[in-house]
Amino acid sequence: EDQVTQSPEALRLQEGESSSLNCSYTVSGLRGLFWYRQDPGKGPEFLFTLYSAGEEKEKERLKATLTKKESFLHITAPKPEDSATYLCAVSIPGNNRKLIWGLGTSLAVNP
Amino acid sequence: EPEVTQTPSHQVTQMGQEVILRCVPISNHLYFYWYRQILGQKVEFLVSFYNNEISEKSEIFDDQFSVERPDGSNFTLKIRSTKLEDSAMYFCASSGSRDSYNEQFFGPGTRLTVL
Repeated sequence: EDQVTQSPEALRLQEGESSSLNCSYTVSGLRGLFWYRQDPGKGPEFLFTLYSAGEEKEKERLKATLTKKESFLHITAPKPEDSATYLCAVSIPGNNRKLIWGLGTSLAVNP
Repeated sequence: EPEVTQTPSHQVTQMGQEVILRCVPISNHLYFYWYRQILGQKVEFLVSFYNNEISEKSEIFDDQFSVERPDGSNFTLKIRSTKLEDSAMYFCASSGSRDSYNEQFFGPGTRLTVL
């Protein structure tokens, strides 16, 4: 069964304390891996798409990387406004664009 | 910046009643989706829609659910006879051309509460 697992479930950081979030996937094939940010009571906000192992994408303090089995979202010198739930999702071949989601990592950054 | 909008933001209904959730996708997008998120659980795919027909639906999307694009801008999800377990956040999403199909943009969601 296609599955996406994220760890840790929750992470609390001090402002400026860099860390990484993990998304591991077990799928029949990978069309793309996606990172989203979700604030409480809101819809997921698109961050990155990664298509192949070795690919990296950056946006401000966030950097996403991809291997054949997992993806990391590295957060460098986080600020309190980075506090959110970070969701990982995958799209697999043969399925018409639906996304399979992980449960997310709830990140809290203390000032 | 273009965005997906959804109405209402919160819908409270009695079990067995019909509800219609409304979405306005980004105007030049071609693919439309509904997802739901039960509190504390993963986001779950319900249905995808392209060229005025359903492209794919999940096992959750049974005969109680239907989708429609009644005009050039709206995309609706109808639940015919709501159950308690339908209580969730419902998200509409849209994506663009065939080349950028992966980037799905989400609306703010409708919180459905079934009593």
